[in-house]
Formats: sequence, C-alpha cells, structure tokens
Amino acid sequence: GAGVSQSPRYKVAKRGQDVALRCDPISGHVSLFWYQQALGQGPEFLTYFQNEAQLDKSGLPSDRFFAERPEGSVSTLKIQRTQQEDSAVYLCASSFPTSGVYEQYFGPGTRLTVT
Amino acid sequence: AQKVTQAQTEISVVEKEDVTLDCVYETRDTTYYLFWYKQPPSGELVFLIRRNSFDEQNEISGRYSWNFQKSTSSFNFTITASQVVDSAVYFCALSEGYTSGTYKYIFGTGTRLKVLA
Repeated sequence: GAGVSQSPRYKVAKRGQDVALRCDPISGHVSLFWYQQALGQGPEFLTYFQNEAQLDKSGLPSDRFFAERPEGSVSTLKIQRTQQEDSAVYLCASSFPTSGVYEQYFGPGTRLTVT
Repeated sequence: AQKVTQAQTEISVVEKEDVTLDCVYETRDTTYYLFWYKQPPSGELVFLIRRNSFDEQNEISGRYSWNFQKSTSSFNFTITASQVVDSAVYFCALSEGYTSGTYKYIFGTGTRLKVLA
C-alpha cells in the first residue's frame, strides 16, 4: 500500500540557496505535520495542516521557513536563504482524523545538508 | 510544559536477552496520549503503540509489551527475547491534542538499541 512519500530523499544546498521539500501524504489523510530531526535528536514539530488550512506554525524556527498545502493533499516545505543550522532530516507525517489524537504515519524524510 | 525524557541514550544487549526502554513524561493535562515509534537505519519512523491517559492497562503484542504507570509518569517498553532485527532507535512521544488543538507530538531524544548476534 502507498505510504507517505517525500522527495527528494537527499538534498545538498549551498548556504544562501532556497530549497523546496515535497510531501505526499497517505490518500485521504486530512492532517499533515512537518518535523525537523537534527542528528542524534528526536523529531521536533514545525507545522500542522488540517486539509489546506495551516492551523499551527509555532514550530517554524524563522521566517525563512514556509509551508503550504494549497489543495489539501501534497505539501511543500520551503526554506529560503538556507543556513548551516538548517541541516537536518525533515520528516512529514499524516493522520486521517480531523480531530482527536491518533497515530501519525511518517515518510522516509528528506536529509538536507547545507554546505 | 510538556516534556518527554528517555534517559537511556544507547543500550546493547545480546540476542535473546530481554530489554526495557524507559520513558518518563511531564504534562499538566489530564487527557493526553503516549506513543512509541521505531526508527530503523532506513530512517522511517514506524508506529508501534498508542496509549491514552485513561487506559493504564498493560499491553502485550508478541515480543513487545508496554507498562504505563500514571503514578510515576512512565510508559516503558519491553522487548522479550530480543532479535538482531530489533536494532533501531526507539522514540517515545507525547501528544496533548485536546489542549493545544494541534495534536502534534513531543518526542524524547530516543534510545538506540543494539542487539548483538
């Protein structure tokens, strides 16, 4: 069955470049989450969508980070003017219910390296 | 504030040994959910279990078992008769969705389990 997919799996960016990371959630899942996982750490919440509405972006570390989900399915996380501290694995997760706490299904992540 | 602590950074065991991974959480909410995920070398987080704050029954699934104790704010995970394929990083997570309305997870720092043949 189709799980959460993310692309690209690996991205190397020069400092100052803009990057766009894509997430395809499980079909029919209305909730979508982005997390950032630094090396040796647990994932940290970035932002949350319910359908196309971004309901929580409290975890975005700076205004260089921007996420969208215009049609309520595919989501893109964009990082402008990348910095070395942005190097991490970016994980996308989706969940079916519109409310309530249920398990999230994670994609394989995009490993971003900023040089 | 909510917090999840996994004090064991890395554990090594020999195959067939039992191993327990500890998880201690902090929350002000009376309604919350706890999760365990496995992250193998491939990197994808794999869901193992969800437990709500009103259900303190222990659960067993094959070689896996979970012990939830609200009195000590702990949600520990035991693997019986460990196998090499159990080698991974294991994360405990907390969600206070009913308060925040976001249903986001707060993760611990993970425990790396190495099972030696």
